[in-house]
Amino acid sequence: AQKITQTQPGMFVQEKEAVTLDCTYDTSDPSYGLFWYKQPSSGEMIFLIYQGSYDQQNATEGRYSLNFQKARKSANLVISASQLGDSAMYFCAMSRNTGNQFYFGTGTSLTVIP
Amino acid sequence: DTGVSQDPRHKITKRGQNVTFRCDPISEHNRLYWYRQTLGQGPEFLTYFQNEAQLEKSRLLSDRFSAERPKGSFSTLEIQRTEQGDSAMYLCASSLAPGGVVPSYEQYFGPGTRLTVT
Repeated sequence: AQKITQTQPGMFVQEKEAVTLDCTYDTSDPSYGLFWYKQPSSGEMIFLIYQGSYDQQNATEGRYSLNFQKARKSANLVISASQLGDSAMYFCAMSRNTGNQFYFGTGTSLTVIP
Repeated sequence: DTGVSQDPRHKITKRGQNVTFRCDPISEHNRLYWYRQTLGQGPEFLTYFQNEAQLEKSRLLSDRFSAERPKGSFSTLEIQRTEQGDSAMYLCASSLAPGGVVPSYEQYFGPGTRLTVT
């Protein structure tokens, strides 16, 4: 069975500092995808970053990077130079090989302090 | 087409009534997904379509729920005989299946339909 675990219900970070949001996953599939989404208070889910299980390098998208440790089954999101607009819920998700079903964690609420 | 749209954005209904939601995906996307999200939780997968074929349904999807995507474009999600436990945000997402022109697993979400059953 596939499972995503986010153990940090809430996190605080000072503006302009970096923050790491934890995500571990469990799957027996040899090929899978890992994602991070941001959900502001307005409710829309915003795609941030994707990592394929066979990708050798960690994914980066602007201020977002995914610290992928396959042996540990972890896919932590690192946000550098936090901004006030980064305050939101962050969800880690996993897709099976064919992307036919996605599994989401329970989310981490990030608050950026000015 | 700039994104996924959903209609209505909010729906209040009385227990026992039927409701139908509509999702219009990004036009070139051939996959469409429905999720349910309750307060404090991540989205839970309900079902997905590739073109007009409904390929997978979650066990969460009781027989009161039905989804269609008749022409492989927009989709509808119907809930019959609504119950208070159906109150949630219903999210639709679309993606381009691997093997497409720009193969990608990323899903793009609509704004959701918030259902309140009284």
